[in-house]
Amino acid sequence: QLVLTQSPSASASLGASVKLTCTLSSGHSSYAIAWHQQQPEKGPRYLMKLNSDGSHSKGDGIPDRFSGSSSGAERYLTISSLQSEDEADYYCQTWGTGILVFGGGTKLTVL
Amino acid sequence: EVQLVESGGGLVQPGGSLRLSCAASGFTFSSYWMSWVRQAPGKGLEWVANIKQDGSEKYYVDSVKGRFTISRDNAKNSLYLQMNSLRAEDTAVYYCARGYWFDPWGQGTLVTVSS
Repeated sequence: QLVLTQSPSASASLGASVKLTCTLSSGHSSYAIAWHQQQPEKGPRYLMKLNSDGSHSKGDGIPDRFSGSSSGAERYLTISSLQSEDEADYYCQTWGTGILVFGGGTKLTVL
Repeated sequence: EVQLVESGGGLVQPGGSLRLSCAASGFTFSSYWMSWVRQAPGKGLEWVANIKQDGSEKYYVDSVKGRFTISRDNAKNSLYLQMNSLRAEDTAVYYCARGYWFDPWGQGTLVTVSS
């Protein structure tokens, strides 16, 4: 079964870096994922597609502070030089035959 | 500019029906799979349904199978979601999104199922 697992919460200080993790279920470690950001009271925004080899393609207007990487079944989103507007929910997402799947989301707090 | 604009949300009684629309612009609509995704109040994102470029393949999350129907009109650059037999648990903001990777998303339309 295709499942994406995310930690419910994370926090980091203004100006620091944070690395969020999305874990693919067993047997699906080769899958690409996408990262999406949802700021409070707003709709989701596509950040990037992230492949199993760590290559990624960002959406229009996404700052260089956002980057992705991969290791095995883990997919990472790193945000550097944290700003207050980065406080948001972050969701990973992938697709399989006939289904699309979201992780439960990570709520990022910028201290 | 690529844009998706949803409409058709509102308040409906349990057991009622509603049809959502999504108007696409700024890209070749007929070249993309399209999806509906929803978010219940205070909850995470849930994929609802998607449809192939020519409408020949459609997939649904189990909880809406037999009640919701996704469709598209490529001549009108529009995506639709017909929702029947609505339940309280269908209350959510409904988003349309482009492709497998949801790039981009629409702004959403709120559906409230309540008596």
